[in-house]
Amino acid sequence: DIQMTQSPSSLSASVGDRVSITCRASQTISTSLNWYQQKPGKAPNLLIYAASSLQSGVPSRFSGSGSGTDFTLTITSLQPEDFAAYYCQQTYSTPLTFGGGTNVEIK
Amino acid sequence: QVQLVQSGAEVKKPGASVKVSCKASGYTFTSYYVHWVRQAPGQGLEWMGRINPSGGSTIYARKFEGRVTMTSDTSTSIVYMELSSLRSEDAAVFYCARAVAYGNNWYGRFDPWGQGTLVTVSS
Repeated sequence: DIQMTQSPSSLSASVGDRVSITCRASQTISTSLNWYQQKPGKAPNLLIYAASSLQSGVPSRFSGSGSGTDFTLTITSLQPEDFAAYYCQQTYSTPLTFGGGTNVEIK
Repeated sequence: QVQLVQSGAEVKKPGASVKVSCKASGYTFTSYYVHWVRQAPGQGLEWMGRINPSGGSTIYARKFEGRVTMTSDTSTSIVYMELSSLRSEDAAVFYCARAVAYGNNWYGRFDPWGQGTLVTVSS
């Protein structure tokens, strides 16, 4: 199974900050990497797919990069509605696996 | 609009089974795989498996093999996930999600997700 390791597990930031979350795969997954945002009590929402493609309707302050084993989600100018949990997911092979998540909290 | 609507919360006793439904609308039901994901309280996301509504073929995560059954009904555009022999650690929110393929990635991306179904396991 492909293990996905996210870091950090949590972070505190202020509105307007630039935030980066990393995700490392235990083996190469090309660009088969998605990022989701989840707010408390809600279902996850797709932000980025194929490592760097912005899902329709998602603000352009979200971006993704990487390939192979190392990936990054970046939020430029953090907004109040961005405080949430973020998960990476590999869809390279089954079992599909998620990172452990990153909680972005208000400083 | 594309939507997945799940059935309501369930309370089950240990050893029982639960069957959660996921009704699709706004797209051609048989053209997209549907996946199921579990989220225990305060925990992360765990993939359970997927079903191809066209034909009903399934792939299950090894962890759930033998306990999970995913089925689909093309006449109603509903996908079902049944989990048997429930134990306390199965208490979670269960999500269905449509998989949208891209390029040569057949598993693609999950969009949209259902609203989630809370399953409580308690004696």
